[in-house]
Amino acid sequence: DAMVIQNPRYQVTQFGKPVTLSCSQTLNHNVMYWYQQKSSQAPKLLFHYYDKDFNNEADTPDNFQSRRPNTSFCFLDIRSPGLGDAAMYLCAPARVAGSYNEQFFGPGTRLTVL
Amino acid sequence: DAKTTQPPSMDCAEGRAANLPCNHSTISGNEYVYWYRQIHSQGPQYIIHGLKNNETNEMASLIITEDRKSSTLILPHATLRDTAVYYCIVRVVGLTGGGNKLTFGTGTQLKVEL
Repeated sequence: DAMVIQNPRYQVTQFGKPVTLSCSQTLNHNVMYWYQQKSSQAPKLLFHYYDKDFNNEADTPDNFQSRRPNTSFCFLDIRSPGLGDAAMYLCAPARVAGSYNEQFFGPGTRLTVL
Repeated sequence: DAKTTQPPSMDCAEGRAANLPCNHSTISGNEYVYWYRQIHSQGPQYIIHGLKNNETNEMASLIITEDRKSSTLILPHATLRDTAVYYCIVRVVGLTGGGNKLTFGTGTQLKVEL
Protein backbone atom coordinates (compact mmCIF):
# COMPACT_ATOMS: atom_id res chain seq x y z
CA ASP A 1 0.00 0.00 0.00
CA ALA A 2 1.28 3.42 -0.89
CA MET A 3 2.50 5.31 2.17
CA VAL A 4 3.01 8.68 0.51
CA ILE A 5 0.67 9.83 -2.23
CA GLN A 6 1.07 12.93 -4.32
CA ASN A 7 -1.68 14.29 -6.52
CA PRO A 8 -1.73 14.94 -9.30
CA ARG A 9 1.29 13.10 -10.70
CA TYR A 10 1.40 15.48 -13.65
CA GLN A 11 0.10 19.03 -13.64
CA VAL A 12 0.02 21.39 -16.59
CA THR A 13 -0.82 25.01 -15.96
CA GLN A 14 -0.62 28.31 -17.72
CA PHE A 15 1.73 31.09 -16.81
CA GLY A 16 0.30 32.90 -13.80
CA LYS A 17 -2.54 30.45 -13.13
CA PRO A 18 -2.49 29.20 -9.53
CA VAL A 19 -1.99 25.53 -8.80
CA THR A 20 -2.25 23.38 -5.71
CA LEU A 21 -0.28 20.21 -5.25
CA SER A 22 -1.24 17.75 -2.55
CA CYS A 23 0.59 15.22 -0.46
CA SER A 24 -0.93 12.66 1.87
CA GLN A 25 0.73 10.11 4.11
CA THR A 26 -0.30 7.09 6.13
CA LEU A 27 2.96 7.02 8.10
CA ASN A 28 1.76 9.51 10.72
CA HIS A 29 5.16 11.25 10.71
CA ASN A 30 5.12 14.69 12.23
CA VAL A 31 7.81 16.22 10.02
CA MET A 32 7.00 17.05 6.41
CA TYR A 33 9.42 18.36 3.79
CA TRP A 34 8.73 19.86 0.38
CA TYR A 35 11.38 19.90 -2.31
CA GLN A 36 11.65 21.31 -5.80
CA GLN A 37 13.77 19.35 -8.25
CA LYS A 38 14.59 20.72 -11.67
CA SER A 39 15.92 18.59 -14.46
CA SER A 40 19.39 17.12 -13.77
CA GLN A 41 19.62 18.93 -10.43
CA ALA A 42 19.50 17.79 -6.83
CA PRO A 43 16.31 18.29 -4.80
CA LYS A 44 16.16 21.75 -3.28
CA LEU A 45 14.34 22.22 0.01
CA LEU A 46 11.54 24.78 -0.13
CA PHE A 47 10.27 24.49 3.45
CA HIS A 48 9.33 21.97 6.07
CA TYR A 49 6.93 21.44 8.93
CA TYR A 50 7.74 20.18 12.36
CA ASP A 51 4.25 19.30 13.46
CA LYS A 52 2.41 22.52 12.60
CA ASP A 53 5.51 24.64 12.98
CA PHE A 54 6.31 25.99 9.50
CA ASN A 55 9.98 26.53 8.58
CA ASN A 56 10.56 28.38 5.34
CA GLU A 57 13.93 28.36 3.58
CA ALA A 58 15.40 31.82 3.21
CA ASP A 59 15.53 31.65 -0.59
CA THR A 60 12.06 30.21 -1.16
CA PRO A 61 10.04 32.77 -3.14
CA ASP A 62 6.83 34.21 -1.68
CA ASN A 63 5.07 32.67 -4.66
CA PHE A 64 5.20 29.35 -2.80
CA GLN A 65 2.78 28.89 0.07
CA SER A 66 1.83 25.86 2.07
CA ARG A 67 -0.90 24.51 4.29
CA ARG A 68 -0.90 21.58 6.63
CA PRO A 69 -4.38 21.09 8.06
CA ASN A 70 -3.42 17.86 9.82
CA THR A 71 -0.60 15.31 9.99
CA SER A 72 -1.92 13.32 7.05
CA PHE A 73 -2.27 16.08 4.49
CA CYS A 74 -0.06 18.85 3.23
CA PHE A 75 -0.51 21.24 0.30
CA LEU A 76 1.83 23.31 -1.81
CA ASP A 77 0.22 26.34 -3.43
CA ILE A 78 1.99 28.15 -6.24
CA ARG A 79 0.19 31.43 -6.51
CA SER A 80 1.46 32.65 -9.87
CA PRO A 81 3.56 30.01 -11.59
CA GLY A 82 6.30 31.23 -13.88
CA LEU A 83 8.24 29.29 -16.49
CA GLY A 84 11.05 28.89 -13.97
CA ASP A 85 8.75 26.98 -11.62
CA ALA A 86 8.47 24.04 -13.98
CA ALA A 87 9.94 21.16 -12.00
CA MET A 88 9.24 18.00 -10.05
CA TYR A 89 7.81 18.72 -6.61
CA LEU A 90 8.49 16.14 -3.94
CA CYS A 91 7.02 15.82 -0.49
CA ALA A 92 8.69 13.72 2.16
CA PRO A 93 7.25 12.91 5.56
CA ALA A 94 10.01 12.02 7.94
CA ARG A 95 10.68 10.09 11.09
CA VAL A 96 13.01 12.28 13.08
CA ALA A 97 14.39 11.01 16.38
CA GLY A 98 17.87 11.74 17.68
CA SER A 99 20.29 11.14 14.80
CA TYR A 100 17.64 9.45 12.75
CA ASN A 101 16.20 11.44 9.87
CA GLU A 102 14.66 9.09 7.35
CA GLN A 103 12.60 10.90 4.78
CA PHE A 104 10.03 8.87 2.83
CA PHE A 105 9.67 10.58 -0.50
CA GLY A 106 6.51 10.52 -2.52
CA PRO A 107 6.52 9.86 -6.28
CA GLY A 108 6.38 13.57 -7.00
CA THR A 109 4.24 15.90 -9.08
CA ARG A 110 5.74 17.05 -12.35
CA LEU A 111 4.63 20.61 -13.04
CA THR A 112 4.67 22.02 -16.55
CA VAL A 113 4.08 25.74 -17.07
CA LEU A 114 2.98 26.85 -20.52
CA ASP B 1 26.13 21.98 7.51
CA ALA B 2 29.45 20.77 6.08
CA LYS B 3 29.94 20.66 2.33
CA THR B 4 30.46 17.31 0.59
CA THR B 5 32.36 16.42 -2.57
CA GLN B 6 31.50 13.39 -4.69
CA PRO B 7 32.65 12.22 -8.11
CA PRO B 8 29.99 13.06 -10.70
CA SER B 9 29.80 9.54 -12.09
CA MET B 10 31.00 5.98 -11.61
CA ASP B 11 30.54 2.67 -13.39
CA CYS B 12 30.31 -0.75 -11.82
CA ALA B 13 29.92 -4.27 -13.21
CA GLU B 14 26.88 -6.17 -12.03
CA GLY B 15 27.69 -8.50 -9.15
CA ARG B 16 30.73 -6.53 -8.11
CA ALA B 17 30.98 -4.24 -5.12
CA ALA B 18 30.28 -0.57 -5.79
CA ASN B 19 32.36 1.75 -3.63
CA LEU B 20 31.13 5.33 -3.66
CA PRO B 21 33.42 7.89 -2.03
CA CYS B 22 32.48 11.12 -0.34
CA ASN B 23 34.76 13.84 0.96
CA HIS B 24 33.57 15.95 3.88
CA SER B 25 36.81 17.44 5.15
CA THR B 26 35.09 20.26 7.05
CA ILE B 27 32.78 18.00 9.02
CA SER B 28 32.40 18.88 12.66
CA GLY B 29 32.06 16.63 15.64
CA ASN B 30 28.28 16.73 15.89
CA GLU B 31 27.56 16.13 12.21
CA TYR B 32 26.35 12.80 10.88
CA VAL B 33 26.89 11.39 7.40
CA TYR B 34 23.75 10.36 5.50
CA TRP B 35 23.37 8.57 2.21
CA TYR B 36 20.32 8.70 -0.03
CA ARG B 37 19.86 7.53 -3.58
CA GLN B 38 17.48 8.52 -6.35
CA ILE B 39 16.51 6.12 -9.07
CA HIS B 40 15.41 7.81 -12.28
CA SER B 41 11.90 9.30 -12.07
CA GLN B 42 11.48 8.37 -8.42
CA GLY B 43 11.87 10.28 -5.16
CA PRO B 44 15.09 9.85 -3.17
CA GLN B 45 15.40 6.84 -0.87
CA TYR B 46 17.18 6.66 2.46
CA ILE B 47 20.08 4.20 2.56
CA ILE B 48 22.12 4.58 5.74
CA HIS B 49 23.70 7.05 8.13
CA GLY B 50 26.49 7.13 10.70
CA LEU B 51 28.63 9.28 12.97
CA LYS B 52 32.03 7.65 13.35
CA ASN B 53 31.57 3.92 13.54
CA ASN B 54 31.09 1.81 10.46
CA GLU B 55 27.49 0.92 9.82
CA THR B 56 25.79 -1.87 7.90
CA ASN B 57 22.21 -2.61 7.01
CA GLU B 58 20.39 -4.71 4.45
CA MET B 59 21.12 -2.23 1.69
CA ALA B 60 24.70 -1.14 2.18
CA SER B 61 27.71 -0.54 4.40
CA LEU B 62 29.08 2.83 5.41
CA ILE B 63 32.77 3.16 6.16
CA ILE B 64 33.84 6.42 7.82
CA THR B 65 37.54 7.20 8.14
CA GLU B 66 38.97 7.67 11.59
CA ASP B 67 39.41 11.42 11.08
CA ARG B 68 35.84 11.53 9.68
CA LYS B 69 36.95 13.62 6.72
CA SER B 70 35.70 11.09 4.21
CA SER B 71 33.43 8.10 3.90
CA THR B 72 32.61 5.32 1.47
CA LEU B 73 29.26 3.77 0.74
CA ILE B 74 29.58 0.14 -0.27
CA LEU B 75 26.96 -1.79 -2.20
CA PRO B 76 28.40 -5.30 -1.82
CA HIS B 77 26.82 -6.90 -4.89
CA ALA B 78 25.58 -4.24 -7.25
CA THR B 79 22.66 -5.03 -9.53
CA LEU B 80 21.21 -3.17 -12.48
CA ARG B 81 18.50 -1.84 -10.15
CA ASP B 82 21.16 -0.01 -8.15
CA THR B 83 21.72 2.37 -11.05
CA ALA B 84 20.87 5.73 -9.49
CA VAL B 85 22.23 9.04 -8.26
CA TYR B 86 23.76 8.62 -4.80
CA TYR B 87 23.81 11.59 -2.46
CA CYS B 88 26.14 12.00 0.49
CA ILE B 89 24.88 14.53 3.02
CA VAL B 90 26.22 15.72 6.35
CA ARG B 91 24.08 17.43 8.92
CA VAL B 92 23.99 18.41 12.54
CA VAL B 93 21.79 16.26 14.67
CA GLY B 94 19.82 17.21 17.67
CA LEU B 95 18.43 20.50 16.53
CA THR B 96 14.74 21.07 16.89
CA GLY B 97 12.28 22.67 14.54
CA GLY B 98 14.05 24.26 11.61
CA GLY B 99 17.30 22.41 12.18
CA ASN B 100 15.99 19.07 11.01
CA LYS B 101 16.79 19.24 7.34
CA LEU B 102 19.07 17.67 4.73
CA THR B 103 20.81 19.62 1.98
CA PHE B 104 21.35 17.53 -1.15
CA GLY B 105 24.53 18.08 -3.16
CA THR B 106 25.08 17.07 -6.76
CA GLY B 107 25.66 13.38 -5.99
CA THR B 108 27.28 10.56 -7.94
CA GLN B 109 25.55 8.95 -10.88
CA LEU B 110 26.25 5.22 -10.50
CA LYS B 111 25.75 3.11 -13.58
CA VAL B 112 25.70 -0.63 -13.09
CA GLU B 113 26.33 -2.57 -16.27
CA LEU B 114 26.29 -6.20 -17.32
